Amino acid sequence: SQTIHQWPATLVQPVGSPLSLECTVEGTSNPNLYWYRQAAGRGLQLLFYSVGIGQISSEVPQNLSASRPQDRQFILSSKKLLLSDSGFYLCAWREGAHNSPLHFGNGTRLTVT
Amino acid sequence: AQSVAQPEDQVNVAEGNPLTVKCTYSVSGNPYLFWYVQYPNRGLQFLLKYITGDNLVKGSYGFEAEFNKSQTSFHLKKPSALVSDSALYFCAVRDRVNYGGSQGNLIFGKGTKLSVKP
Repeated sequence: SQTIHQWPATLVQPVGSPLSLECTVEGTSNPNLYWYRQAAGRGLQLLFYSVGIGQISSEVPQNLSASRPQDRQFILSSKKLLLSDSGFYLCAWREGAHNSPLHFGNGTRLTVT
Repeated sequence: AQSVAQPEDQVNVAEGNPLTVKCTYSVSGNPYLFWYVQYPNRGLQFLLKYITGDNLVKGSYGFEAEFNKSQTSFHLKKPSALVSDSALYFCAVRDRVNYGGSQGNLIFGKGTKLSVKP
């Protein structure tokens, strides 16, 4: 069966420091991969998605970037964190079929101080 | 443009009573529809989806949802609520025709907090 791993679970970083969040998927190949941010425990904001290695689409201009160095690995990065980057970050994957659901990781709670 | 509306920020239900969490959608074509549940500090868990066929879809944990094309709704239901059902519920839609590029991404509602009291 397929599983998704996301780490770390929590992270406290000072303003101006770099960020790297990692997500990996097991048990499938060529998944579509996604990074979401959830603020205030409610709405989801799609940040990036990827349909293949090296293919990244950005939905919202951010102080963030994403990379997909391997088929089942998706990384969210920042060179310099802002206070406004605090939030709950969720990685997700789905199969390529357009009726397939998203499957989410357990999320990373990022607090920028 | 695609959109999803969850008109209730919060739904309060007594344990053992039936529950309904409402969702309406807007897409240019026919939709794929999904429900997710989120427990505190956890990722979203997939509950059920409507693709085609029977308008009543059964999912995990005893939940079901009814697709109503004329009312463009996909309400989540459960005959008898449990305290453990208390969580945040998200409805999501994807246009089954215009799914290329970013249009293939799920559009989520803002979520409805379900509170089940003993």
